[in-house]
Amino acid sequence: DVKVTQSSRYLVKRTGEKVFLECVQDMDHENMFWYRQDPGLGLRLIYFSYDVKMKEKGDIPEGYSVSREKKERFSLILESASTNQTSMYLCASREGTKDTIYFGEGSWLTVV
Amino acid sequence: GESVGLHLPTLSVQEGDNSIINCAYSNSASDYFIWYKQESGKGPQFIIDIRSNMDKRQGQRVTVLLNKTVKHLSLQIAATQPGDSAVYFCAERAGFQKLVFGTGTRLLVSP
Repeated sequence: DVKVTQSSRYLVKRTGEKVFLECVQDMDHENMFWYRQDPGLGLRLIYFSYDVKMKEKGDIPEGYSVSREKKERFSLILESASTNQTSMYLCASREGTKDTIYFGEGSWLTVV
Repeated sequence: GESVGLHLPTLSVQEGDNSIINCAYSNSASDYFIWYKQESGKGPQFIIDIRSNMDKRQGQRVTVLLNKTVKHLSLQIAATQPGDSAVYFCAERAGFQKLVFGTGTRLLVSP
């Protein structure tokens, strides 16, 4: 079974703090993704990466950056957290030749 | 804020009934579709997928139907069980690395 692990499930941060969300997958997948999920809006793509050190902006990259130094790990960074970044963040991965995207359990971030 | 459940259409069924969850997609060029199940507080879990060159695909207790003429996708769950209670949403692939997700339908299964 594919395993996508998000180490932090619940976080509370203050406005202006730098926040790191970590994601690790154990299936040697080339592609990794960060989404946020908000009520009524569905899942929206923040960033994705198709290889180590490669990254592409998704639909809502403003206020976020990412890092992929190793194939199995994809980090989402909020340089200066704001209250409108309170959300559930979902990491996902996909094998390069396949279609299915597999999600982690999610990280609930509250910015106060 | 309001919980996601207050915004979602809800389908209520009795245990043992068959459930049909519908999804309208927007892009006639989409070539791949996928259904996810999301339980409260958890990440989305893959259920079944279908490519645009197919009309129907079956899994274990689930069937996905694709009608490209009216851009409609449905998920059928046979003999629905209480453990099937969750939010179900579809996604369409509208381009390279571009999955567009619906907001979902809440399925409530009563014993």
